[in-house]
Amino acid sequence: DTGVSQDPRHKITKRGQNVTFRCDPISEHNRLYWYRQTLGQGPEFLTYFQNEAQLEKSRLLSDRFSAERPKGSFSTLEIQRTEQGDSAMYLCASSRRSVDNEQFFGPGTRLTVL
Amino acid sequence: AQSVTQLDSQVPVFEEAPVELRCNYSSSVSVYLFWYVQYPNQGLQLLLKYLSGSTLVKGINGFEAEFNKSQTSFHLRKPSVHISDTAEYFCAVVNYGQNFVFGPGTRLSVLP
Repeated sequence: DTGVSQDPRHKITKRGQNVTFRCDPISEHNRLYWYRQTLGQGPEFLTYFQNEAQLEKSRLLSDRFSAERPKGSFSTLEIQRTEQGDSAMYLCASSRRSVDNEQFFGPGTRLTVL
Repeated sequence: AQSVTQLDSQVPVFEEAPVELRCNYSSSVSVYLFWYVQYPNQGLQLLLKYLSGSTLVKGINGFEAEFNKSQTSFHLRKPSVHISDTAEYFCAVVNYGQNFVFGPGTRLSVLP
């Protein structure tokens, strides 16, 4: 069990640029989640996948955000035309399908939009 | 809809003193409750969880929490804290088939 990994750990970009983050979940976990965390706040749910199917998206996920999990393994989160308000920590988590839905988190990608 | 309240945004406490971090939730259905800890520049790590059974749950690093259904609370406690416990602590709630809802977090600062 190597844990959830995320790449990159830090990303600095200029407003208007596109960015893409990657998440590799724990191998036997079929559920994968994306969260956004701003300073002083708890993680806010963005979207989740069961295998390759994207089952739910938060209203926080504007049209500039898109997530994929093409083969049911790793996932990518892309933000187009970044805005300063997108600056945050983006967390990925994975879980097995279970009643308690315990999630295991990666270290996060910190995005700074200048 | 579920929600989680953590009334204390910051809790300073001296080393070896006891600490309680408060968590209250609202939900119209039965839920599962979790406490996660986040050390600086790291992801969230599970401390403990309540699913069913005994209302007193023991977790890692000497932490425990008590589920109180009538008060819809799940307070986290530790009898004697260490400097290394300095971190952000998040309470979270989920019911079957739904996603986690996290509280805003409590920053625990352990002072020498």
